[in-house]
Amino acid sequence: GAGVSQSPSNKVTEKGKDVELRCDPISGHTALYWYRQRLGQGLEFLIYFQGNSAPDKSGLPSDRFSAERTGESVSTLTIQRTQQEDSAVYLCASSLWGADYGYTFGSGTRLTVV
Amino acid sequence: KNQVEQSPQSLIILEGKNCTLQCNYTVSPFSNLRWYKQDTGRGPVSLTIMTFSENTKSNGRYTATLDADTKQSSLHITASQLSDSASYICVVITTGANNLFFGTGTRLTVIP
Repeated sequence: GAGVSQSPSNKVTEKGKDVELRCDPISGHTALYWYRQRLGQGLEFLIYFQGNSAPDKSGLPSDRFSAERTGESVSTLTIQRTQQEDSAVYLCASSLWGADYGYTFGSGTRLTVV
Repeated sequence: KNQVEQSPQSLIILEGKNCTLQCNYTVSPFSNLRWYKQDTGRGPVSLTIMTFSENTKSNGRYTATLDADTKQSSLHITASQLSDSASYICVVITTGANNLFFGTGTRLTVIP
């Protein structure tokens, strides 16, 4: 597609439930990033995928968080047993390999845990 | 430690006025610096990309400057409009993988 697509745009879930967030990167973009943005705060790195290399998971805050990506296509971020502190906007970005290429962000998924 | 600091944290200006946002960084090695605009409830959108050799780059009413020696960048907005109300995020890119470093942003509010 023309841009990075994320779904759902909004998600309200009960504490303790699992949620799955989806990111469709720009076709051909080899790099994919997940970030979390709490209300009024900056972007917090979660996980980075580059092609078929092992992902950089160093930003995942706990073992309740996991993400998958098949090849250079769709990625899913899964949060198990959600907690209220998980409430945030989850942003996905993709880029071609190389620092000179643009990083394009999706519009995010706003997750509210009640 | 790789850090990106932005100032001010928030800013309120009258429509039509100019303003300048600041970004200081300690990220190394430096590849390029980007300014993003993030409207409420939306993802960040790129405004400018500046490489090591570029000092000034304009995009409409937005002008970014970069001083790679002092590791400072600024974003100047001319003749502000109500639609400029947003968060402006400075992102510094290093070489290599997982290489984005974000500032916490400046929240700009333009009032009539």
